[in-house]
Amino acid sequence: AQSVAQPEDQVNVAEGNPLTVKCTYSVSGNPYLFWYVQYPNRGLQFLLKYITGDNLVKGSYGFEAEFNKSQTSFHLKKPSALVSDSALYFCAVSPSGAGSYQLTFGKGTKLSVIP
Amino acid sequence: GAGVSQSPSNKVTEKGKDVELRCDPISGHTALYWYRQSLGQGLEFLIYFQGNSAPDKSGLPSDRFSAERTGGSVSTLTIQRTQQEDSAVYLCASSLGVEGYGYTFGSGTRLTVV
Repeated sequence: AQSVAQPEDQVNVAEGNPLTVKCTYSVSGNPYLFWYVQYPNRGLQFLLKYITGDNLVKGSYGFEAEFNKSQTSFHLKKPSALVSDSALYFCAVSPSGAGSYQLTFGKGTKLSVIP
Repeated sequence: GAGVSQSPSNKVTEKGKDVELRCDPISGHTALYWYRQSLGQGLEFLIYFQGNSAPDKSGLPSDRFSAERTGGSVSTLTIQRTQQEDSAVYLCASSLGVEGYGYTFGSGTRLTVV
């Protein structure tokens, strides 16, 4: 069975500074990896995903994530944080080639960008 | 439709009453999921429908919870004899049912049991 760990419940960063939200995963075989963002009182919105190919994936709102197979990680990054990036971020994984497309989600990381 | 639609967006009910929450997935999406989220916390999986297969009900917390999906489209989550601990946001998501596709979430129903 697959699993996702988001080791930080909360990340605080100053506006304009780079941000990183960490995610590690466990899955049999090759993974499909996703990041979702949830703004207050909203559903989850898709940010980006890794399927295959280039390990650096670029997504919405200037976010990017780097797939690292040896470290089984898929950390979310942004070069310069905005106050409007403050939200709850979820990492998710599903196995490839297993006929399964059900996602397993991490517990979420609350990002607070301080003006 | 263009997105996943959930109704109502907010529901306040008295303890002991039954409630029905509705999810209208994206047209053509064969997979539909229900999750529960308490106070901005993580996602608790409830139930999963895929096409005409028997649903995966492994996440339903008690027999007061049930869900159905009619005609492979609209789904209804029913909570009988609601309790205060049922208060949460109930999120629905749909997917094309293809590996690597991911989910599209609705905006959720905020349920408050008083």
